[in-house]
Amino acid sequence: EPEVTQTPSHQVTQMGQEVILRCVPISNHLYFYWYRQILGQKVEFLVSFYNNEISEKSEIFDDQFSVERPDGSNFTLKIRSTKLEDSAMYFCASRQEEHGYTFGSGTRLTVV
Amino acid sequence: QQQVKQSPQSLIVQKGGISIINCAYENTAFDYFPWYQQFPGKGPALLIAIRPDVSEKKEGRFTISFNKSAKQFSLHIMDSQPGDSATYFCAASRRTGKSTFGDGTTLTVKP
Repeated sequence: EPEVTQTPSHQVTQMGQEVILRCVPISNHLYFYWYRQILGQKVEFLVSFYNNEISEKSEIFDDQFSVERPDGSNFTLKIRSTKLEDSAMYFCASRQEEHGYTFGSGTRLTVV
Repeated sequence: QQQVKQSPQSLIVQKGGISIINCAYENTAFDYFPWYQQFPGKGPALLIAIRPDVSEKKEGRFTISFNKSAKQFSLHIMDSQPGDSATYFCAASRRTGKSTFGDGTTLTVKP
């Protein structure tokens, strides 16, 4: 079964540092998303991406965040200057139109 | 308008019993209602989904009941097993839009 692959599985970074979280969505999917989940809490929408541009973003997705699809397969989330409150699980998801998401296994980001 | 309210927060069921988790939404523009199952350390996995043109969908031991007029939908897990112990999230979306997730229900099935 096709999978969404995320790397790294765990990243520890110092406050103020930049991090890049990487995702390889399922190849024939058209819609890409980043969500985050603070430990034990709900899954929160960050951003959606379609046709090489952001289609929707949440209030969480401020100027410190950016997304890119640098080639035909990778989809990245960059946090420019990490804060302690950015510590969370970050999930990439992709889908075809009118289907549910396929989520990756997530990247656990710990900001110290 | 964008909220999805899920209950209960946690649920304990005996093996073989029926687990029922409920969700309510506000935005009538939503037209896709999936349920996700999440095990610790893993991403949510799509379990079953329904569109508002049907009132019920069944896949194996999992059934979604949908009440469009009440703007509510529920997940029923029949013959619950210890392996079903996980966190369950309902969600709602428009077809190509973002999904709005409920707060999650932690299900424990006791042997």
